[in-house]
Amino acid sequence: AQSVAQPEDQVNVAEGNPLTVKCTYSVSGNPYLFWYVQYPNRGLQFLLKYITGDNLVKGSYGFEAEFNKSQTSFHLKKPSALVSDSALYFCAVSRLSGGYQKVTFGIGTKLQVIP
Amino acid sequence: EAQVTQNPRYLITVTGKKLTVTCSQNMNHEYMSWYRQDPGLGLRQIYYSMNVEVTDKGDVPEGYKVSRKEKRNFPLILESPSPNQTSLYFCASSLYAQASNEKLFFGSGTQLSVL
Repeated sequence: AQSVAQPEDQVNVAEGNPLTVKCTYSVSGNPYLFWYVQYPNRGLQFLLKYITGDNLVKGSYGFEAEFNKSQTSFHLKKPSALVSDSALYFCAVSRLSGGYQKVTFGIGTKLQVIP
Repeated sequence: EAQVTQNPRYLITVTGKKLTVTCSQNMNHEYMSWYRQDPGLGLRQIYYSMNVEVTDKGDVPEGYKVSRKEKRNFPLILESPSPNQTSLYFCASSLYAQASNEKLFFGSGTQLSVL
């Protein structure tokens, strides 16, 4: 079994400040972890993924995520938030199940960047 | 342009009236999947397909059917819709079905209301 927890329904941050969106996961074996972003009235878009190697993963739009195996966390970060970053963010874990990929999403965190 | 196309974007129907939501991808992807998005529940997988004529149930398959007669198309069928199927639906695809490190490409979504 696998699961993803996003403990915050909403995160508010002032424009220009650093932001963090939290994610913890549970999966057997080595995890493949993803972040997706959903802008209003749009589908989800891929931001970044962790497969193996460097624990700090860099992605689109200046986002990065830090993988922490001991804490089973994969928090999304950005040094300086923009108003245009306001969106819904989903963390996801992926593994093979029955020989095929199985992706489980968190419930999503709404990021509000305040001008 | 590489994309996943869903139609329609919005659909209002009545209980019991059969409907089909279409999904098409132009990237020659093996894997296709349907999700529904509900507030507080995130994205839950309905059905997925590993290739032509190969489909399997996801986490919430009741009340839905799918088919994969061609590689590019993966329609979602609701034979007798009920109000609890009111939701935002997303189709997604990825290149390989047997790899769990592949990112998903999403359609723009279909907002379904069943009265």
